[in-house]
Amino acid sequence: EVQLVQSGAEVKKPGESLKISCKGSGYSFTSYWIGWVRQMPGKGLEWMGIIYPGDSDTRYSPSFQGQVTISADKSISTAYLQWSSLKASDTAMYYCARRQTGDVFDYWGQGTLVTVSS
Amino acid sequence: DIQMTQSPSSVSASVGDRVTITCRASQGISSWLAWYQQKPGKAPKLLIYAASSLQSGVPSRFSGSGSGTDFTLTISSLQPEDFATYYCQQANSFPPLFGGGTKVEIK
Repeated sequence: EVQLVQSGAEVKKPGESLKISCKGSGYSFTSYWIGWVRQMPGKGLEWMGIIYPGDSDTRYSPSFQGQVTISADKSISTAYLQWSSLKASDTAMYYCARRQTGDVFDYWGQGTLVTVSS
Repeated sequence: DIQMTQSPSSVSASVGDRVTITCRASQGISSWLAWYQQKPGKAPKLLIYAASSLQSGVPSRFSGSGSGTDFTLTISSLQPEDFATYYCQQANSFPPLFGGGTKVEIK
């Protein structure tokens, strides 16, 4: 069974750094792109970027380029999303998802809620 | 970027109703369109890909159609578990943006 399990909710202060994770199982982790999607409170889905764990090839949406870093450790089948300096506007639910052919996400993690507040 | 516009933003319907949601792309995307369902507090779920292909395990009351710039998601007979928000996503060019969502509410 394909599963993506994300790390737990985080509460941080502005300016702090953060790295959240997404562990894949039940499939060949290095053979599928993993993407990240942001959902701000009460809002829609925003495509952030994707990584191919096989060779760490990474693509970012222009809206998120330079704002976050996506990485992966294929030895432990885990993808990451990180911030070097959080802002209150980063408060959101973040989902990881597996990309099937055609930039479509077929399996999703349960989401990680990130709250940034002073 | 290719912008995706969904309409309506919300719709009220009753169990058993036929519901149609529209998604329009700012430029042609062939059949590179997907539909997702999201229930409150849950991750999105893939329903349709390639405009009209039903994802495995999705009930046949869901169907998708369209190509180019105009697409529709149809629920042939609305069930209680279908009350949710639906998103389209273009998969033709980078970045593969989502539409703004359509909330299907109980009438």
